[in-house]
Amino acid sequence: KAGVTQTPRYLIKTRGQQVTLSCSPISGHRSVSWYQQTPGQGLQFLFEYFSETQRNKGNFPGRFSGRQFSNSRSEMNVSTLELGDSALYLCASSFHRENTGELFFGEGSRLTVL
Amino acid sequence: AQKITQTQPGMFVQEKEAVTLDCTYDTSDPSYGLFWYKQPSSGEMIFLIYQGSYDQQNATEGRYSLNFQKARKSANLVISASQLGDSAMYFCAMRVTGGGNKLTFGTGTQLKVEL
Repeated sequence: KAGVTQTPRYLIKTRGQQVTLSCSPISGHRSVSWYQQTPGQGLQFLFEYFSETQRNKGNFPGRFSGRQFSNSRSEMNVSTLELGDSALYLCASSFHRENTGELFFGEGSRLTVL
Repeated sequence: AQKITQTQPGMFVQEKEAVTLDCTYDTSDPSYGLFWYKQPSSGEMIFLIYQGSYDQQNATEGRYSLNFQKARKSANLVISASQLGDSAMYFCAMRVTGGGNKLTFGTGTQLKVEL
């Protein structure tokens, strides 16, 4: 079956703009979590959605937001982009929220902010 | 708070040899899960292996095995019979019960497999 799909794969924005990234989980998976990966900070948890509700949030400013639709697809939005937002954004999906080793990632969306 | 420590920034191994990537963790939660992921240069995080804190046996998945030593809080990844395609960044991660799918990652180990 298809894996986790993230779009777009690559994008370039300028400071002050906003961006929306999309994540389609594996069919049947209801949990989608988002991570930011940068050379300086490594992999950091952004937020998790399950059944259209945000269940967990990392330590990021309010410019970072997300949502999940009834088909479990998720989007994350970053407003008023800053240079430091340049990163690889990864999403992961799972059927359950925990107590399972089933947590699969997509290929990521690589954002460059100029 | 949880913490994952990977002390080997880079490792070299010859093809067909076994290699161990170190991971230690710190948590006060009695119930947790430990993951290993492989990240090639393309960026995708590829799931390798999972160990639950209450699992009695060490996890194995093909050429990957996890050497879980609970008392020492270590969860080392062993790759047997290394292949050139194993060259990648490897991350150890942890999730605690009650934390949903929030993973805490280590800083990673860059593995290079040589002929």
